[in-house]
Amino acid sequence: AQTVTQSQPEMSVQEAETVTLSCTYDTSESDYYLFWYKQPPSRQMILVIRQEAYKQQNATENRFSVNFQKAAKSFSLKISDSQLGDAAMYFCAYRRTPGSARQLTFGSGTQLTVLP
Amino acid sequence: GAVVSQHPSWVICKSGTSVKIECRSLDFQATTMFWYRQFPKQSLMLMATSNEGSKATYEQGVEKDKFLINHASLTLSTLTVTSAHPEDSSFYICSAQTTATTDTQYFGPGTRLTVL
Repeated sequence: AQTVTQSQPEMSVQEAETVTLSCTYDTSESDYYLFWYKQPPSRQMILVIRQEAYKQQNATENRFSVNFQKAAKSFSLKISDSQLGDAAMYFCAYRRTPGSARQLTFGSGTQLTVLP
Repeated sequence: GAVVSQHPSWVICKSGTSVKIECRSLDFQATTMFWYRQFPKQSLMLMATSNEGSKATYEQGVEKDKFLINHASLTLSTLTVTSAHPEDSSFYICSAQTTATTDTQYFGPGTRLTVL
């Protein structure tokens, strides 16, 4: 079974600084998707970024970027120029076999605090 | 695009009553919807996968007779908590997967259930 591990229960960052959230996963699949979701206090899950495993290029969405290391099974999220609105719980998620209905496997989450 | 709504956003009920939660994809068709449960400060736990026109697939340990799931159309899935008890109090979140691109799940805003 696939597992997703987030080893940092809590992180904090100064406003305008950069922070990296860690995520590792375990799978025997060669093709899969990885996601970072953000859950602010409203509890609404928001997709931050996604990465297809077959793509070597790291995904980027504005201030959010990932460092995808397939061999190491590592998928970290970097948030640049942190803003107060970035404060939230961040979940790393794995989904096997693109192109079909598959459930997400979530990590335990990292609570990010942004300090003014 | 890709908006998912849930109704109600919060509900309080007496022990022994049944509660129905609706999940709708507003601007797309969803062949598959997922139901999650989330306890405070914890990750999302998948309860069941709901496919339009067929029976839901429940995760191990989830009572199918207690958590009734119906996915009657491509835009609506419902979760009914039957004979609710205080231990069923939780945050319930649905997500929907589009038919066009089956690689990303879009989440509803969640429903907070409190059973007295």
